[in-house]
Amino acid sequence: DAKTTQPPSMDCAEGRAANLPCNHSTISGNEYVYWYRQIHSQGPQYIIHGLKNNETNEMASLIITEDRKSSTLILPHATLRDTAVYYCIVRVAWDAGNNRKLIWGLGTSLAVNP
Amino acid sequence: ETGVTQTPRHLVMGMTNKKSLKCEQHLGHNAMYWYKQSAKKPLELMFVYSLEERVENNSVPSRFSPECPNSSHLFLHLHTLQPEDSALYLCASSQGARPHYEQYFGPGTRLTVT
Repeated sequence: DAKTTQPPSMDCAEGRAANLPCNHSTISGNEYVYWYRQIHSQGPQYIIHGLKNNETNEMASLIITEDRKSSTLILPHATLRDTAVYYCIVRVAWDAGNNRKLIWGLGTSLAVNP
Repeated sequence: ETGVTQTPRHLVMGMTNKKSLKCEQHLGHNAMYWYKQSAKKPLELMFVYSLEERVENNSVPSRFSPECPNSSHLFLHLHTLQPEDSALYLCASSQGARPHYEQYFGPGTRLTVT
């Protein structure tokens, strides 16, 4: 299974861009990269996902390197409410029926400071 | 509010008790999941239901028994638990358990086994 490596913690000043890195050097060609976050005392929340191309939505941007071995989640203007644990996940197949599951790691604890 | 509710939010039970966790989704999804989140460990997928049929049991001990009576409701029946089963139990739903699914999580049930 492809696995991901993230720094355990990061700090960011409010209003600045938060750039969260993720390494997934063993990712296969058809495996997607997903990002979720988990605010304290809540369940995880989907942010964005991508395969090869860069993606953007109302929450964040996802930059995937050309060799797909790493990616960066960008929160363009971090706010205090963005303080959370951010998970970079690779979605892998788990059975012959081509069903998939998310392989979760420990994530990066992002602290947005005033 | 993600559209996925879980009750109770907190539960303390003895090792000889029997209790049930309930999850309800109001999103019209057809796949539901139970996850376990222990301190300092990644999320562990326990069970997956797709179209009310269990499609995955991830080597979960028999003291955990899931039930999915319809596509909107999911239960986790608990009996003779161990202290190491104390954790946050998260329910999630998605539109299909196959590729490109975005999972919506409930707030979780914090379980303490004494």
